[in-house]
Amino acid sequence: EPEVTQTPSHQVTQMGQEVILRCVPISNHLYFYWYRQILGQKVEFLVSFYNNEISEKSEIFDDQFSVERPDGSNFTLKIRSTKLEDSAMYFCASRDDGTYEQYFGPGTRLTVT
Amino acid sequence: DQQVKQNSPSLSVQEGRISILNCDYTNSMFDYFLWYKKYPAEGPTFLISISSIKDKNEDGRFTVFLNKSAKHLSLHIVPSQPGDSAVYFCAAGGETSYDKVIFGPGTSLSVIP
Repeated sequence: EPEVTQTPSHQVTQMGQEVILRCVPISNHLYFYWYRQILGQKVEFLVSFYNNEISEKSEIFDDQFSVERPDGSNFTLKIRSTKLEDSAMYFCASRDDGTYEQYFGPGTRLTVT
Repeated sequence: DQQVKQNSPSLSVQEGRISILNCDYTNSMFDYFLWYKKYPAEGPTFLISISSIKDKNEDGRFTVFLNKSAKHLSLHIVPSQPGDSAVYFCAAGGETSYDKVIFGPGTSLSVIP
């Protein structure tokens, strides 16, 4: 069964460093998303992406964040200058056209020290 | 901002019995609702969805009921199995666009053998 994959599974970085989290959505899906879950808190929407542009973003998704689909299969989330409060699980999701079910990857645990 | 609420942080059920997980929402503009199951250190797994124009959707052991007038939905699992032990998230979307999904805080279900 097709699934969303994410790499790395765990990323440790120092405050102020840039990180790139990578995702491979399900191959025929057209809509892509990033969510995060800070330990003990809710899963929070960050951004949605369709047709090579951001379609919606939350207040969390400020200028430190960017997304890109560099090729036909990858979808990335970049955090330019990480802060301690960026430590969280980051989930990628994708959705097929004509449905609203989003399918999630296993997540990347980001630890900022 | 608690647009999607799951007021029971945890629930314990005997194997073979029915599990009922509840969810309330505040925004009548939501167009669809989703239930996800999540194991520790994994991404949310899509279970079942329901459109706001329906009041029931069934898929195997899982049934979701929607009461729009009460802004309430519930997930029924019958019969409950030990493998169902996980955190269950209610999520709602379609408020502003098809893209942004708002998650509830989750209910931890324990199915006791």
